[in-house]
Amino acid sequence: SSELTQDPVVSVALGQTVSITCQGDILRDFYANWYQQKAGQAPTLLIYGKHNRPSGIPDRFSGSRSGNTATLTISGAQAEDEADYYCSLRDSSTNQYVFGTGTKVTFL
Amino acid sequence: QVQLQESGPGVVKSSETLSLTCTVSGGSIRSNNYFWNWIRQHPGKGLEWIGSIYYSGRTYYSPSLQSRVTISGDPSINQFSLRLSSVTAADTAVYYCARGATYMEYAFQIWGQGTMVTVSS
Repeated sequence: SSELTQDPVVSVALGQTVSITCQGDILRDFYANWYQQKAGQAPTLLIYGKHNRPSGIPDRFSGSRSGNTATLTISGAQAEDEADYYCSLRDSSTNQYVFGTGTKVTFL
Repeated sequence: QVQLQESGPGVVKSSETLSLTCTVSGGSIRSNNYFWNWIRQHPGKGLEWIGSIYYSGRTYYSPSLQSRVTISGDPSINQFSLRLSSVTAADTAVYYCARGATYMEYAFQIWGQGTMVTVSS
């Protein structure tokens, strides 16, 4: 299956750590990329591949994978991190892409 | 600094063809380090990949849209385009163009601001 499932909403207190998960069998074969989308804006790339951050992305964002689950961790969440987060990956055998269902991060 | 800008009609009539263009500035679409993509987002919903075009001209489309989608590129004017035929209300969405980078695990590195397309009856 090429579906990627995310929890719809995750809440965090300011300054705390939050983990956003992405589940799917296809993750056993490919790494997920992660995108952040703030309200009314286009998505931006946060994490690509195993655990790489594009230039300009704060190091409080990190990525990992275990089995069929990819995880985006925000260590010391800031107010500006309130956004929707999407995992995504490319199936290199078909050159098709799939996006996760998305997770909204809100502050307590 | 590379920028992408979508353009095209904001309203398309049902059963007609949606046509959008993405103009790339600050970089060439002729590079084999990059590929060019269309992604859409239905109102209040998640992201949906539509398709990609590579430097070679090879295209890949979402299986759910493949029968109606054509993505093409014009390196001479540094643009690539999306055509989606036989549109219905279900095609109402924000359409994004994005540059993918082969050296970044084929991630969507740079996005346009998006353009809202409404399908009217």
